[in-house]
Amino acid sequence: EVQLVESGGGLVQPGGSLRLSCAASGFTFSSYTMSWVRQAPGKGLERVSGIGDSGTATSYADSVKGRFTVSRDNSKNTVYLQMNSLRAEDTAIYYCARGGLKVISDYWGQGTLVTVSS
Amino acid sequence: EIVLTQSPGTLSLSPGERATLSCRASQSVSSTYLAWYQQKPGQAPWLLIYGTSNRATGVPDRFSGSGSGTDFTLTISRLEPEDFAVYYCQQFGTSPITFGQGTRLEMK
Repeated sequence: EVQLVESGGGLVQPGGSLRLSCAASGFTFSSYTMSWVRQAPGKGLERVSGIGDSGTATSYADSVKGRFTVSRDNSKNTVYLQMNSLRAEDTAIYYCARGGLKVISDYWGQGTLVTVSS
Repeated sequence: EIVLTQSPGTLSLSPGERATLSCRASQSVSSTYLAWYQQKPGQAPWLLIYGTSNRATGVPDRFSGSGSGTDFTLTISRLEPEDFAVYYCQQFGTSPITFGQGTRLEMK
């Protein structure tokens, strides 16, 4: 059974940092592109970042470019999202999803809540 | 960036009725890379349709997708109580991947 479990969310002050993790199981992790998608309270879905199967190809939404960094450790079946210089508008549930550009996002984790507030 | 515009924003229907949800793209989208998701309160999105018309695993056959180019449709033939939720279309063939703003399907 495919499982994606996010962790690392929490309350952080503006300008602060957080690192999210997504632990994957039930599939050959190293064969899949992975994505991070966020949803602000009461709003729609925004794909913020993606990373190719080997980790060499990455992409970012303009809203987070230069502040967020995606990475993965295929030996640990885990993808990460390092979030720096956080702003109030980054407050959202962050979902990890299997898939990305030209690959359907067919499985999603339950999400982790990031709140940026003083 | 491909902008996806969903209509209507909210659709009020009764169980047993037919629902038709629209997703219009600002430029042509390959039908291979158009998907629909369902999201219920407090839950992650759930894949319904991929490749415009292919039902994902476990999706009831009352859900169907169609369309091409810039106009795509999700149809629910006969609404069940569990179908009332928010629906999003997504294009994942051109970077950046984008979602529509969602259609809320509410019970009348």
